[in-house]
Amino acid sequence: DGGITQSPKYLFRKEGQNVTLSCEQNLNHDAMYWYRQDPGQGLRLIYYSQIVNDFQKGDIAEGYSVSREKKESFPLTVTSAQKNPTAFYLCASSTGANSQETQYFGPGTRLLVL
Amino acid sequence: GNSVTQMEGPVTLSEEAFLTINCTYTATGYPSLFWYVQYPGEGLQLLLKATKADDKGSNKGFEATYRKETTSFHLEKGSVQVSDSAVYFCALRNDRGSTLGRLYFGRGTQLTVWP
Repeated sequence: DGGITQSPKYLFRKEGQNVTLSCEQNLNHDAMYWYRQDPGQGLRLIYYSQIVNDFQKGDIAEGYSVSREKKESFPLTVTSAQKNPTAFYLCASSTGANSQETQYFGPGTRLLVL
Repeated sequence: GNSVTQMEGPVTLSEEAFLTINCTYTATGYPSLFWYVQYPGEGLQLLLKATKADDKGSNKGFEATYRKETTSFHLEKGSVQVSDSAVYFCALRNDRGSTLGRLYFGRGTQLTVWP
């Protein structure tokens, strides 16, 4: 089955610690995205990548970093600079530069601060 | 710029009631419009979409019509079921400028349907 996988489902972070959220897709999609979801605020874009080895900041990139070394993988690192990381993180992908294309979402990772 | 405003929830209905969730947008040019649904603890699933003015998207009894004159894309269902309880997100995609491919989301509307 084709789709997007995110791991882990739950992640706990200690103060001052960097943590990495995994996102893998086998849909052969060029574009991948990371969103943060907070209650009552909808989804906000953190980073996105339209092609391997290239990515752009979204609306709330501070305190986060990404890499795109492989087409199928787009890991997100939440650094210690992100002071309020508790949220639900969603990864998505799409085929690319066509405004009619749908974005497909993974099941999400819930990050909690200890 | 691009933005989406949708009706604030929560919305609580009895089974078989009529549902409307309002969504309006701001965008230059001709965006594509989407409704996504999120069940508890899960990611988002595409519910329906429309890519040009006057198009009607439909799926699982839900419908929405792309109205350019009122910049709206309201979600409707004639008879809701308990299984429709979820959070619904309106979104637009506008490929003008450098933000190619990204979606702009509304804040989401929580729907609860009681038997």
